[in-house]
Amino acid sequence: GAGVSQSPRYKVTKRGQDVALRCDPISGHVSLYWYRQALGQGPEFLTYFNYEAQQDKSGLPNDRFSAERPEGSISTLTIQRTEQRDSAMYRCASSSSGGAMDTQYFGPGTRLTVL
Amino acid sequence: AQTVTQSQPEMSVQEAETVTLSCTYDTSESDYYLFWYKQPPSRQMILVIRQEAYKQQNATENRFSVNFQKAAKSFSLKISDSQLGDAAMYFCAYRSAQKPWGLTFGEGTQLTVNP
Repeated sequence: GAGVSQSPRYKVTKRGQDVALRCDPISGHVSLYWYRQALGQGPEFLTYFNYEAQQDKSGLPNDRFSAERPEGSISTLTIQRTEQRDSAMYRCASSSSGGAMDTQYFGPGTRLTVL
Repeated sequence: AQTVTQSQPEMSVQEAETVTLSCTYDTSESDYYLFWYKQPPSRQMILVIRQEAYKQQNATENRFSVNFQKAAKSFSLKISDSQLGDAAMYFCAYRSAQKPWGLTFGEGTQLTVNP
């Protein structure tokens, strides 16, 4: 595709429900990143994939958060038993090779609101 | 762990004037990359400029340039001939060269451009 796409763009859920956020990276991009951005703050790194391998999940806040990228393309970030503090913008980014100099192209984000 | 600090929550500039946004970072690494991202009201994340730490020459991209002071761990962004379209939140970001996983972002600087 032309850019990174994410769905849904907005998600409102009730506390305790599970949510799944989808990221479709730029075609052919090897690396995929998930970030969380609270209002008025910079994005915070969550996890990183190289192809289908999750190579860094040090930023996931707790075990309610998980991510997968089974075929090395589309990725899903899942939050189980959501809490109000999980409300934020969740952003996905992809880069062509994962090199440190590579530009990370960001998607439009999914705005998650937990009531 | 690396940290990035942007000490100016808000800045304003007159159209056609020059403005400098500040960024400092803390790291024990010698090789890394620094970035400035722009987030307009649409909340997209757009790469403005990047700098390799091993290069002494400051990066420039049209009206955007950086002042990279490695010893001082400072990485400021200068915007020349400011335009109304430059109004946005600007984020400084750090990325390690040894473990190039995610970006570490600062808190952001909200730039207003006055006509």
